Amino acid sequence: GAGVSQTPSNKVTEKGKYVELRCDPISGHTALYWYRQSLGQGPEFLIYFQGTGAADDSGLPNDRFFAVRPEGSVSTLKIQRTERGDSAVYLCASSSGQPGGKETQYFGPGTRLLVL
Amino acid sequence: GDSVTQMEGPVTLSEEAFLTINCTYTATGYPSLFWYVQYPGEGLQLLLKATKADDKGSNKGFEATYRKETTSFHLEKGSVQVSDSAVYFCALRGYGQNFVFGPGTRLSVLP
Repeated sequence: GAGVSQTPSNKVTEKGKYVELRCDPISGHTALYWYRQSLGQGPEFLIYFQGTGAADDSGLPNDRFFAVRPEGSVSTLKIQRTERGDSAVYLCASSSGQPGGKETQYFGPGTRLLVL
Repeated sequence: GDSVTQMEGPVTLSEEAFLTINCTYTATGYPSLFWYVQYPGEGLQLLLKATKADDKGSNKGFEATYRKETTSFHLEKGSVQVSDSAVYFCALRGYGQNFVFGPGTRLSVLP
């Protein structure tokens, strides 16, 4: 597609449930990032993929959070045993993945997760 | 670790006023610096960027200069419009590939 897309746009779940959030990056982008944005704050890095592998997962808050990108394109962020504190907007971004770190990241519209 | 500090908002200006949003950073080495904007109901969009010291990024009348000596990347616009009302995020990318964002500054421009 023309841009990064994320589904669902909104997700309401109950405490303790499992959720999956999906990201479709821009076609051809090898780098994919997940961020979490709480109300009134800037995005907080969670995990970065280069191709199929997680190159940096240092931002994942705990082992309830996991992400995959099995074919190097679509990625799924998985949250187990959700807690109310997980409520936030989850943002996905992609970039061309060129070495040097100067390329632009393009962000999706986000998935708004609400844990009741 | 790397960090970004922005002036707290909200900032409220009248149309055609001059805008400055301060941004300072802490990072090892020579990070790339970015300003992203988030309009109401929309996703983050890149506004401008600078990848080395003394570079000036510019777009849509906004400018920011990468000042290594003061570790700053202040955003400026000479004459704001109502349509500039949004949340502005300063960000850096250091040695890692991920971005570090500031908390955002909400700008409201009144007609």
